[in-house]
Amino acid sequence: DTGVSQNPRHKITKRGQNVTFRCDPISEHNRLYWYRQTLGQGPEFLTYFQNEAQLEKSRLLSDRFSAERPKGSFSTLEIQRTEQGDSAMYLCASSSLQGATGQETQYFGPGTRLLVL
Amino acid sequence: SQQGEEDPQALSIQEGENATMNCSYKTSINNLQWYRQNSGRGLVHLILIRSNEREKHSGRLRVTLDTSKKSSSLLITASRAADTASYFCATDAGGSGAGSYQLTFGKGTKLSVIP
Repeated sequence: DTGVSQNPRHKITKRGQNVTFRCDPISEHNRLYWYRQTLGQGPEFLTYFQNEAQLEKSRLLSDRFSAERPKGSFSTLEIQRTEQGDSAMYLCASSSLQGATGQETQYFGPGTRLLVL
Repeated sequence: SQQGEEDPQALSIQEGENATMNCSYKTSINNLQWYRQNSGRGLVHLILIRSNEREKHSGRLRVTLDTSKKSSSLLITASRAADTASYFCATDAGGSGAGSYQLTFGKGTKLSVIP
């Protein structure tokens, strides 16, 4: 399977604990995005990497959230001191910009569903 | 925050009928994309239409874009039970240099196709 993969698929944690999610993008894609989706809503942008550089962060990404993409391959998203409001589906997407046409199709992984008790 | 709204929020049709979903957005865009999401799963890319295009087809899908009205529609012809899913439109404003093409999604239309 050469699509985007995410682990774990489900995570249940207690409030105050730290959690870390992993995303493995499509191998030739240099761009990687994290989104968060709550029930009944569309995904919302969190942050973006081009290769190993984190170039944009949403205001949704509080200080308790940190993302890394060492060596420009897989990425991790860590949430420290989780709160019940962090319960959501965390989606990762990867893409490769199509040159002068400016087209960029983002391919999404299956997501990690987080439940904070 | 969400870019816009899909309309209707929910749609229930019989297998074989056509399904039309609409999407409105607020700001200027570079591309508009439609995605499908089966319950509790990731998003599957369906089709991308550029801001200088007005209509695009892919299999049983037809997408239109009206940038003057800031709206798009997705038509699924001859629907099947397997088309049951939530459908989202997503826009990007385009990047420059290393700028991102972050997607801004609507809330989605939940389509139910009854066999």
